[in-house]
Amino acid sequence: DAKTTQPPSMDCAEGRAANLPCNHSTISGNEYVYWYRQIHSQGPQYIIHGLKNNETNEMASLIITEDRKSSTLILPHATLRDTAVYYCIVKNFGNEKLTFGTGTRLTIIP
Amino acid sequence: DAGITQSPRHKVTETGTPVTLRCHQTENHRYMYWYRQDPGHGLRLIHYSYGVKDTDKGEVSDGYSVSRSKTEDFLLTLESATSSQTSVYFCAISESEGLAGEQYFGPGTRLTVT
Repeated sequence: DAKTTQPPSMDCAEGRAANLPCNHSTISGNEYVYWYRQIHSQGPQYIIHGLKNNETNEMASLIITEDRKSSTLILPHATLRDTAVYYCIVKNFGNEKLTFGTGTRLTIIP
Repeated sequence: DAGITQSPRHKVTETGTPVTLRCHQTENHRYMYWYRQDPGHGLRLIHYSYGVKDTDKGEVSDGYSVSRSKTEDFLLTLESATSSQTSVYFCAISESEGLAGEQYFGPGTRLTVT
């Protein structure tokens, strides 16, 4: 699976959109981009995933660049409960395993 | 929330003693995983199971064994606990190989080995 690079930390004001970047320049054609988050002391939570099209669900939007070398997770109206570590993971569809990196610590500021 | 429970939630044990952690699911999902989480390392996969009696190693499997005799239960055993196994342990489940990227995690077990 391709390696990902995320900033170690970010701040965002409450009510604003939080945009979390991820670089995955070595991604291959059959690898998906997954996003998880982990709120302090809890188990990680699946957020969203995509291959090449932009995706949206009730939690977030995922924007993948046309060359697929980077992506952005968007939390449209951040709340204090969105404070967490966010993990970007690239995974081959046929791979049964996820490899977590160290993620981005997002802090929502009141 | 996915029906995943872990027991015990907290445990303190002494070096050299055996320890078994239990993960129980009510979702009838095929895949089950055990991870450990330590500061500076993120989550690392210990073992996983792709069916009853079918298991495989992850990246940090030394010192751990697993068993899955029923779909709903996945046991992680530390045969002789060491201080380096002090960690938070998470169980996860996923429905199928194709959906293995969508894993649902339990609440975790905090294990301290003294």
